[in-house]
Parts: sequence; structure tokens; C-alpha cells
Amino acid sequence: SYVLTQPPSVSVAPGQTARITCGGNNVGTKDVHWYRQKPGQAPVLVVFDDSDRPSGIPERFSGSKSGKMATLTISRVEAGDEADYYCQVWDSSPVAFGGGTKLTVL
Amino acid sequence: EVQLVESGGGLVQPGGSLRLSCAASGFNFSDYEMNWVRQAPGKGLQWVSYISSRGSAIYYANSAKGRFTISRDNAKNSLYLQMNSLRGEDTAVYYCARLSRSGSYFDYWGQGTLVTVSS
Repeated sequence: SYVLTQPPSVSVAPGQTARITCGGNNVGTKDVHWYRQKPGQAPVLVVFDDSDRPSGIPERFSGSKSGKMATLTISRVEAGDEADYYCQVWDSSPVAFGGGTKLTVL
Repeated sequence: EVQLVESGGGLVQPGGSLRLSCAASGFNFSDYEMNWVRQAPGKGLQWVSYISSRGSAIYYANSAKGRFTISRDNAKNSLYLQMNSLRGEDTAVYYCARLSRSGSYFDYWGQGTLVTVSS
């Protein structure tokens, strides 16, 4: 099965920029999608197709990709951004999720 | 407003069976491919199964093959997951998730239903 690698945790102070990475051999050839999950809640899509935002998601959330690495960037981080973030691709498996990254706002 | 509401979770003994349901509303259910995704306590997301809009194509994760059966009833706007031969490692919150029109990401999720497999 396809493997997507995320750092287990990222910490950032309020107002700073958080960057969460997602690496995988086929990341460069697949659309990467990102979800935010707060404790006790269902995941919510925050970025799709590498860098597009669903309606209702603030512009502070952006996605990018370079080579085998995709990045979710959260600018001007707020306390309410504290959550687990997962990347996902549709592959031959056919679905792969990253292991998740816990974003802590200091 | 798109809504997905799961039900049917609960406590079941190892080796037992359970049938999960997902009631969809707010969109034309028969136009969309659907999935089940689960999350074990304190763990990450794990895709379980996929079904095409008319049910003609079905896929399973290796962990579900031979034990789980996904199905849908478009007349009832409902998605199902029949789970047999349940094991402790199947303990998780099970989410139904709608696949986007582009067919590569999940644009809506239900609130989940908890399945606990324990004696």
C-alpha cells in the first residue's frame, strides 16, 4: 500500500506560520488533499487538489507541492487551528492517508 | 445542506457482526461515490471501503476483504457496511464520506459511529 509520511507534531506560536509536510514517492504525480480534525469531531477538508480551498476555509490555509513533498501552510496561526491534520491521495490502493500531524499552538 | 448521519455502532463480541448505516440528505445521493473510513482510538484515519454511484464497482482495504461488505440503496439514500467476523482491531469510529465529483478527495463526512469489539 502507498505510504504518506507526516511529522507527528508541529508547534507554533500564535500569529506565526505553521508548515506541515507530507512526503511520498508518488506525491509529485498525484493530487494531494488535506483535512483538519479537531478532538471529537469528524475530519474537514481544508485543501484539495494540492492548493485549492473549499468555500468557507480561510485564505490563511494554503497548499503547495514540490517534488515528492506536499506542504500545508497555515499563516497567522490562531488558537482555534490547534488540531490534527492529515494528507491524503487517491492512488491504486486506492486511498492513502498520512499518519497525521498534531498542530500545537503554544 | 449536505448531511451524512451514521448509525448502527455499538459493543459487539469478537467474531460477531454489525451493520452500519449512513443516511444521506441534501444532495442527489445516486450521483456520488461513497466510502467508509475508520479511526481507531488515538490513531489516524484508515480508509475501509468504496462503492461507485450505482454500486457496480467496489473496493476494500486488505483489512476488510472477506469480512466486510459495502452496499447502498439509492432509493433510500443510504449507504451500508456489513461487518462480520469482527476483531478487536476493528474497534474504531466509522465515518461515511462522500467522494468529490473529481473522484479523489472526501468533501463531506458524517459525524461517525463508534464500534467497540470486546468480550
